Amino acid sequence: GAVVSQHPSWVICKSGTSVKIECRSLDFQATTMFWYRQFPKQSLMLMATSNEGSKATYEQGVEKDKFLINHASLTLSTLTVTSAHPEDSSFYICSAVPLAGDTDTQYFGPGTRLTVL
Amino acid sequence: GEDVEQSLFLSVREGDSSVINCTYTDSSSTYLYWYKQEPGAGLQLLTYIFSNMDMKQDQRLTVLLNKKDKHLSLRIADTQTGDSAIYFCAPERGREGSQGNLIFGKGTKLSVKP
Repeated sequence: GAVVSQHPSWVICKSGTSVKIECRSLDFQATTMFWYRQFPKQSLMLMATSNEGSKATYEQGVEKDKFLINHASLTLSTLTVTSAHPEDSSFYICSAVPLAGDTDTQYFGPGTRLTVL
Repeated sequence: GEDVEQSLFLSVREGDSSVINCTYTDSSSTYLYWYKQEPGAGLQLLTYIFSNMDMKQDQRLTVLLNKKDKHLSLRIADTQTGDSAIYFCAPERGREGSQGNLIFGKGTKLSVKP
């Protein structure tokens, strides 16, 4: 149980286009989902905290107009990278915290590799 | 499929050593990471080890890797109350083209008692 999926697992897009990444909790409900970004051989960087039904909380230095987060239901959060540029190329990981039960645990998705040409 | 297993809880007394263990299934992992998550905060990279190493020491942290048994451990010497956190083992997926793609364990919650 407690599986988190991300779609797509990898995506290549042209500069200037927008890309949407989905994060789904498959067998549990999650009020809180986190979005991370990872550069090669570096630590994960928390981008934002997404709460169902409310606006996401962005970390300092993360442009909220560039990285749009929508948490429309208890099982789905989306991250849209708008007007993508090559410097946005990275590995994006989401995690979800169960609404009930194991509420101390973050369950991680497999990640999405974004390459912007 | 790929999997990472960790004990969920560990409790130690201040000043003792803590050892957090992790087993994984992907034998082709190139880098294996340890992350720390403090309450309410995001993940923080603690250390990592390259797969051709058996041991890496960084101040109070010692990482041991047994590739044959696919076992990774993190030892924290002289554990302090500030070390109380959740520790994640995260081997890198070894498939070609997947560099940076991590597999996370559920995390071990370390409680340090004064």
